[in-house]
Amino acid sequence: DVKVTQSSRYLVKRTGEKVFLECVQDMDHENMFWYRQDPGLGLRLIYFSYDVKMKEKGDIPEGYSVSREKKERFSLILESASTNQTSMYLCASSFLWSENSPLHFGNGTRLTVT
Amino acid sequence: RKEVEQDPGPFNVPEGATVAFNCTYSNSASQSFFWYRQDCRKEPKLLMSVYSSGNEDGRFTAQLNRASQYISLLIRDSKLSDSATYLCVVAGNTPLVFGKGTRLSVIA
Repeated sequence: DVKVTQSSRYLVKRTGEKVFLECVQDMDHENMFWYRQDPGLGLRLIYFSYDVKMKEKGDIPEGYSVSREKKERFSLILESASTNQTSMYLCASSFLWSENSPLHFGNGTRLTVT
Repeated sequence: RKEVEQDPGPFNVPEGATVAFNCTYSNSASQSFFWYRQDCRKEPKLLMSVYSSGNEDGRFTAQLNRASQYISLLIRDSKLSDSATYLCVVAGNTPLVFGKGTRLSVIA
C-alpha cells in the first residue's frame, strides 16, 4: 500500500511565522502535490512537482513556496503565515503523469494561524 | 463553465436505497476519470477509476459518457457507512481537477 505521511496532523502558528509542512511518500512516485481544502471551495492546487528540484505553480501559489530536494519528500513553506492561510493542507503523490494514475493522499495537516 | 461540476447535495437517502451522482467536465481532452470518497475531516481516498466501458465494484458502478462529458456513480443497497462526500476527479494534460464533491447521508 502507498504511504504518504505528513509530519503534523494539527498545527497552530502565529501570524508572520515561517511554517514548514513536510510530506514523505514511500512509493518512488515522480509526482507530488500540495492542496488546501476549505469548506465550499473544495480542493485547490497550490504547487506540484514532477521531479526532484522541479516545481510548478498550481492555482493558488501566492504566499507559498515549495522544496523538493529528494524524490520522496515535498515540503510546503508559508513564508509569512497569515490568518487566511488557516486551512486543511493535503499532500498527495502519483506514479505517472495523470494517465490512469490516481493520487494518493496523506492524512492532512490542519493548520490554524492566529 | 467550471472545469468539473458536481451537485453539492446533500443527498439524504434511506438504507437500502439506490442513489446516483453525476459529474460534468468541460475539457473534452480529458483522459482519466476517478471517484474519490472523503469522510468528514479525513483525506480523500480513491473509490474507483472510471473506464470508458463502465466498471463495477460490488455495489458501486461508474460510467463515462464522453459525448455528453459526464461521469456517474451509482450506489446500490446503500449502507450507513456509505455516508461521505464523493469527489469526481478528471485528468488530462494538466494535474487532476477535483469537483467540490457531493455529500451523501444514508439514514437508518
